[in-house]
Amino acid sequence: AQTVTQSQPEMSVQEAETVTLSCTYDTSENNYYLFWYKQPPSRQMILVIRQEAYKQQNATENRFSVNFQKAAKSFSLKISDSQLGDTAMYFCAQQSNFGNEKLTFGTGTRLTIIP
Amino acid sequence: DAGVIQSPRHEVTEMGQEVTLRCKPISGHDYLFWYRQTMMRGLELLIYFNNNVPIDDSGMPEDRFSAKMPNASFSTLKIQPSEPRDSAVYFCASNDRAGETQYFGPGTRLLVL
Repeated sequence: AQTVTQSQPEMSVQEAETVTLSCTYDTSENNYYLFWYKQPPSRQMILVIRQEAYKQQNATENRFSVNFQKAAKSFSLKISDSQLGDTAMYFCAQQSNFGNEKLTFGTGTRLTIIP
Repeated sequence: DAGVIQSPRHEVTEMGQEVTLRCKPISGHDYLFWYRQTMMRGLELLIYFNNNVPIDDSGMPEDRFSAKMPNASFSTLKIQPSEPRDSAVYFCASNDRAGETQYFGPGTRLLVL
């Protein structure tokens, strides 16, 4: 069974600073997909970034980037120049590449950006 | 596109009543997912469909829960009878191909009294 672990229940950082959220996962598969979703107070689940495990290059989306370490099964999210609108719950998720499309989520990290 | 549409957005009901949640996936998406979010269990998959066929329903808690997808543009999740422990936010999501991003609806917040 797949498991996803987020060891930081809460984090806070000053506006404009950089913050890194941690995620580790466990899978026996070689190919899979990893995601970071953001859930603001509105409760909407919003995709932040997606990584394909067979790609060695780390995914980036504007101020968001990941550090994907396949051997260590680690998938951290870096937010640069943090903004007040980044305040949200952040969920790491994994998806199998072998016919089961479900997302397995971590427990989330509550990130607060301090003005 | 309007994105994934869910209704109702909020539902308050009494224990024992039937509850029906509805979802319209993004047009052209072949996969539809129902997830539930609670404080105790986090986000967990209940069931998902591919081309209107249920593929994995191992997350459906018990026989009180049922889901259908009569066509490519509509799915329902029904709870009968409802219990207070069913109180949660229920999300519907869809994607168009295996491995692609799942797009979530706004969720239905269910409170069973």
